[in-house]
Amino acid sequence: DQQVKQNSPSLSVQEGRISILNCDYTNSMFDYFLWYKKYPAEGPTFLISISSIKDKNEDGRFTVFLNKSAKHLSLHIVPSQPGDSAVYFCAAIGGGGSNYKLTFGKGTLLTVNP
Amino acid sequence: ETGVTQTPRHLVMGMTNKKSLKCEQHLGHNAMYWYKQSAKKPLELMFVYNFKEQTENNSVPSRFSPECPNSSHLFLHLHTLQPEDSALYLCASSQLVINTEAFFGQGTRLTVV
Repeated sequence: DQQVKQNSPSLSVQEGRISILNCDYTNSMFDYFLWYKKYPAEGPTFLISISSIKDKNEDGRFTVFLNKSAKHLSLHIVPSQPGDSAVYFCAAIGGGGSNYKLTFGKGTLLTVNP
Repeated sequence: ETGVTQTPRHLVMGMTNKKSLKCEQHLGHNAMYWYKQSAKKPLELMFVYNFKEQTENNSVPSRFSPECPNSSHLFLHLHTLQPEDSALYLCASSQLVINTEAFFGQGTRLTVV
């Protein structure tokens, strides 16, 4: 049973436009959410996070929104740049007991076209 | 450079071979992890070590044997693997506090032939 779901395996956007990556979760015990970015043949790199007590966190071009009632979060990248092309993983912490255990989605491949 | 170093970056091994993956972190973290990244699958947690003690084993076959001699080093010993074990193996570390991100190494691309 997949507790963190990224239903779009890929997304393609034009340079300068907004990229919106979505993530849904099923476990209401998750209380901290993270986005990781991964280039081919490299490990994931932490991008941005949000605690469940907030509904928005912004860092430069990256903003994460959390809708707890819908168990949904999204990552907005504005403006998108070709260097943003990578796989983006949504991850969650919590779930009763293992507060250090990250549960990952399958990832979404973002392609930003020049 | 994230502060977590994995060696080797690439490894090809036969099914009867014994090899080891190494992970090293100098971030002062207390927890270290092994993850497996297979194609078209979510990132899978394999093992967790807190203060050198294994606290989690996610039903990983015994042909994978982790070792954590100290809080800065983590090994994954491989023995009689199967071709389906071919994947990217990622090491990560974090502080042992609630709600903190993990730092990942660049991974070892393992191919079992």
